[in-house]
Order: sequence, then C-alpha cells, then structure tokens
Amino acid sequence: EVQLVESGGGLVQPGRSLRLSCAASGFTFDDYAMHWVRQAPGKGLEWVSGISWNSGSIGYADSVKGRFTISRDNAKNSLYLQMNSLRAEDTALYYCAKDTSYSIVGATLDYWGQGTLVTVSS
Amino acid sequence: QSVLTQPPSVSAAPGQKVTISCSGSSSNIGNNYVSWYQQLPGTAPKLLIYDNNKRPSGIPDRFSGSKSGTSATLGITGLQTGDEADYYCGTWDSSLSAGRVVFGGGTKLTVL
Repeated sequence: EVQLVESGGGLVQPGRSLRLSCAASGFTFDDYAMHWVRQAPGKGLEWVSGISWNSGSIGYADSVKGRFTISRDNAKNSLYLQMNSLRAEDTALYYCAKDTSYSIVGATLDYWGQGTLVTVSS
Repeated sequence: QSVLTQPPSVSAAPGQKVTISCSGSSSNIGNNYVSWYQQLPGTAPKLLIYDNNKRPSGIPDRFSGSKSGTSATLGITGLQTGDEADYYCGTWDSSLSAGRVVFGGGTKLTVL
C-alpha cells in the first residue's frame, strides 16, 4: 500500500524558515517524480514544486521560486521542501504527491499524503 | 486567477448526470494530458481520471473524462450523495521557460 506521510509543518513567523519532509513507502520511490502541492484555507489546489526521479529536473511555481527548494533522498525514500523567507500568503496545507511518471512533465498525481499545515503569522 | 477555468459550482439531483468543464489553452490542455481529482470534504485529493479519459483501478465507470482541443470535461452519471466534493482538473503547462503543473480553480458539486 502506497503511503505518503508529511511532517514539519507548524506556526512560523514571517521571514523565518521551515523544512517539510515526506516519508514514502509501498512503492519504488526512486522510479517516480514527486511533487508538493498546497491548499490555502478555503481555497483551491496550487502546485508548489516538482522533482524528477533522479533530481535531474526540478520545477517551481513563480510564487515560491527563489525562496523554496525541493530535494529528495532516494536512499531514505524521502522528499523535502526547504521554505525560506516565509510570507503570510504561504499559509496552507502542504501535500506531498507521487507522480505516475519518472518525469514531472507527466503531471499526473496518483497518490497524495494527508498534508501538513504551515501557518505563517507573527 | 487559475490558468485552467472551471465553473465554481454545479448541482444535480441524485441519479442524474452532471458535467464539469475545464478550459485552457494550447500551452496546457491543447498539448498535454488532463487529469481530474476529487476532494471529499476534509480529505486529500484523489486521482479520478488520467490521460484525459482513463480511470485508475477502483474508480467506478460512472466517472468519465474527455478532451477536445483546449478543453476537457468530467462527466458523472448516476449521481450519489457521496459524490459531493470539489473537483479539480490538472495538466502540464509549457507557456513559461520552465514548465509547471497547473490546476483549475475547482468546482464544488452539490447533489441536491
């Protein structure tokens, strides 16, 4: 059974940093691209970032480019999101999601975690 | 403002059929596969349709997808109260120097 478990969320002040983690199990992690998708309270889905199977291809939404860094450790079956210079508008539930392809261009997300809540507030 | 345009809400009676549209452009829907996701209240999104019209294992054939040009449509027949959820379309967009995943704004389905 595929499982994606996010962690690392919490309350953080504007301008500070936070690192999210996603522990994956139940599939061959290094065969697939992975993504972070967020959902602000009461709002729709917003893609944040994606990383290919071997970290060779990475993409970011314009809203986070230069502030967030996605990475993965295939030996640990883990996905990460380093979030710096956080803003109030980054407040959201952050989902880790598995792609059906090794490439982020496929953009088909077949399994999602339950999310970790990030609240940016002073 | 989402790159893909969906109606904010649709409604229909139990047992009826409903369609949800998703409009884009040549840089996204026009040249890439479309996926549809169902998000039940308080839960994570779930893949409903992929590659325009394919259903993952376990998704009933009451759910269908189609694509024509720069638009896609999700169809749900035999509506059940358990289908009340938010539905999102998604695809790859290559309009910028670096591509990105894009979603529609979501459509809230109410089963009256």
